[in-house]
Amino acid sequence: EPEVTQTPSHQVTQMGQEVILRCVPISNHLYFYWYRQILGQKVEFLVSFYNNEISEKSEIFDDQFSVERPDGSNFTLKIRSTKLEDSAMYFCASSTPTDTQYFGPGTRLTVL
Amino acid sequence: QKEVEQNSGPLSVPEGAIASLNCTYSDRVSQSFFWYRQYSGKSPELIMSIYSNGDKEDGRFTAQLNKASQYVSLLIRDSQPSDSATYLCAVNRGGNTDKLIFGTGTRLQVFP
Repeated sequence: EPEVTQTPSHQVTQMGQEVILRCVPISNHLYFYWYRQILGQKVEFLVSFYNNEISEKSEIFDDQFSVERPDGSNFTLKIRSTKLEDSAMYFCASSTPTDTQYFGPGTRLTVL
Repeated sequence: QKEVEQNSGPLSVPEGAIASLNCTYSDRVSQSFFWYRQYSGKSPELIMSIYSNGDKEDGRFTAQLNKASQYVSLLIRDSQPSDSATYLCAVNRGGNTDKLIFGTGTRLQVFP
């Protein structure tokens, strides 16, 4: 069964450092998303991406965040200068107009 | 007012019983409704989607939607200990490609 994959599973970084979280969406999906979940809180939408551009972004997705589809398979989330409050699980998801959003296993980001 | 509200639980039911999980939403233009299951430390896993008023059954799971009351529910029949997890209600305004807005989730405990 096709699935979304994410790497790394756990990323530890120092405050102020840049991190790149990677995702490989389901192969025939064209809509891509990033969500995050701070420990003990709800899953929150960050950004959606289609046709090589951002479709929608939340208030959380400020100038420190960016997304990219560098090739035909990967979808990345970059945080330029991490803050302590960026510590969370980051989930990538993908969908099509006829198929609901499926989530990857997540990357746990810990900012020290 | 929270966009998607769920009772945080825990909801404790004995093995073999019916578990009933409820969700209300505030945005009347919401069109699509989803139930995800999330085990501790894992990503959301899609259980059911429902788009029109009424009931939708899939195995032991039944989703119920009442748009007039802005209410979605999930029934789990013959509950098993393996059903113990947090159940997330999610809604969006459009189809499968729109951002998902999640509730905080209801923790279900099924005891033998």
